[in-house]
Amino acid sequence: DAGVIQSPRHEVTEMGQEVTLRCKPISGHNSLFWYRQTMMRGLELLIYFNNNVPIDDSGMPEDRFSAKMPNASFSTLKIQPSEPRDSAVYFCASSLRTSGRPYEQYFGPGTRLTVT
Amino acid sequence: GQQVMQIPQYQHVQEGEDFTTYCNSSTTLSNIQWYKQRPGGHPVFLIQLVKSGEVKKQKRLTFQFGEAKKNSSLHITATQTTDVGTYFCAGGQAGNNRKLIWGLGTSLAVNP
Repeated sequence: DAGVIQSPRHEVTEMGQEVTLRCKPISGHNSLFWYRQTMMRGLELLIYFNNNVPIDDSGMPEDRFSAKMPNASFSTLKIQPSEPRDSAVYFCASSLRTSGRPYEQYFGPGTRLTVT
Repeated sequence: GQQVMQIPQYQHVQEGEDFTTYCNSSTTLSNIQWYKQRPGGHPVFLIQLVKSGEVKKQKRLTFQFGEAKKNSSLHITATQTTDVGTYFCAGGQAGNNRKLIWGLGTSLAVNP
């Protein structure tokens, strides 16, 4: 079975450019999470979706960040315009929520973003 | 807001020594999960604890959930070089079970 798929794996861009990160969750999972990981701040939840609907985006840093989930098998995280402080590893994770408690999250390999 | 504190931040041990990392929440948790991230890798789910006072074992790893459901620990007996990585705890919020609050992790280094 394929796990969570993320693309690209690495992205180097210049400040001011638009960056789009992509995620394909595990088939059948109904929750999707976007995280950002840095040495200074650790693992931060940016936004999560349940059944393709954004539930909590309180972790999205600012209006430069946006996320969409047009269907159950695809999500994007967009940064426009990008800034050097956005440099981090961005993880997508998915899980299957069928009861009142969260199930384990399965993480993708991550996208390492460098903004120069 | 709700926080999950994890200590120590770093731990360096000799192979064969034991290792423990602790996780403390400012509020009562509905459950706690533990993940391991190898250097350069992604977090991988290890276990979930739900019940007050619960203890679970996976080979050399022992996980505990406190009676008040506000703290947890992961203990590794006789560490091996394959245990190297960062161990994260993540707590489910009571009343909002979809979102996990993550600790900053404990990075474990093992000298052969």
